[in-house]
Amino acid sequence: SAVISQKPSRDICQRGTSLTIQCQVDSQVTMMFWYRQQPGQSLTLIATANQGSEATYESGFVIDKFPISRPNLTFSTLTVSNMSPEDSSIYLCSVESLGRAGSDTQYFGPGTRLTVL
Amino acid sequence: QKEVEQNSGPLSVPEGAIASLNCTYSDRGSQSFFWYRQYSGKSPELIMFIYSNGDKEDGRFTAQLNKASQYVSLLIRDSQPSDSATYLCAVKEGGKLIFGQGTELSVKP
Repeated sequence: SAVISQKPSRDICQRGTSLTIQCQVDSQVTMMFWYRQQPGQSLTLIATANQGSEATYESGFVIDKFPISRPNLTFSTLTVSNMSPEDSSIYLCSVESLGRAGSDTQYFGPGTRLTVL
Repeated sequence: QKEVEQNSGPLSVPEGAIASLNCTYSDRGSQSFFWYRQYSGKSPELIMFIYSNGDKEDGRFTAQLNKASQYVSLLIRDSQPSDSATYLCAVKEGGKLIFGQGTELSVKP
């Protein structure tokens, strides 16, 4: 499976500011995703990061709040804009790669733990 | 509304027992099913995937799929305290994973 790194691993931010999270993969992958996991909750897909075009956002998530870039097949960024305490979550990058026995499986990065004061 | 449902638990089993984790899904067209394990403070880790009806075994883990009943389960044999974690069921729909809310498993020594 691909090795995925995220930066920063955690941050504490003031409301009204923005934070950009980076996701780096050690190999080229076709699909990259961004998820949010709020405290005590499961994973919610924010968007699919498309290489060379605008990200595809899920219902309830908008580009102005969560702009995403994907300049190449190994790197993506997620920005959390104009933050409020409700944005306090773990943000996870995920990639889909050809895994065992030809399956397309998703693997997750270590996550970024964001606290907004 | 496409959904994936799991019992939130916590499920508590003694060391050495079989832990049984269950998941139901609403979309009959789903073809790919995954189980992730998530330790507290860590990101999800893929442990099993299954596409076909029946059982699939990998070490102490067995995934079971019944598409007619829209049911997928994970059995953990000879449970160990290190298996204590939250187990997430995920169903692939339209190229995206839909996650259940997770079942917390506690294995008591």
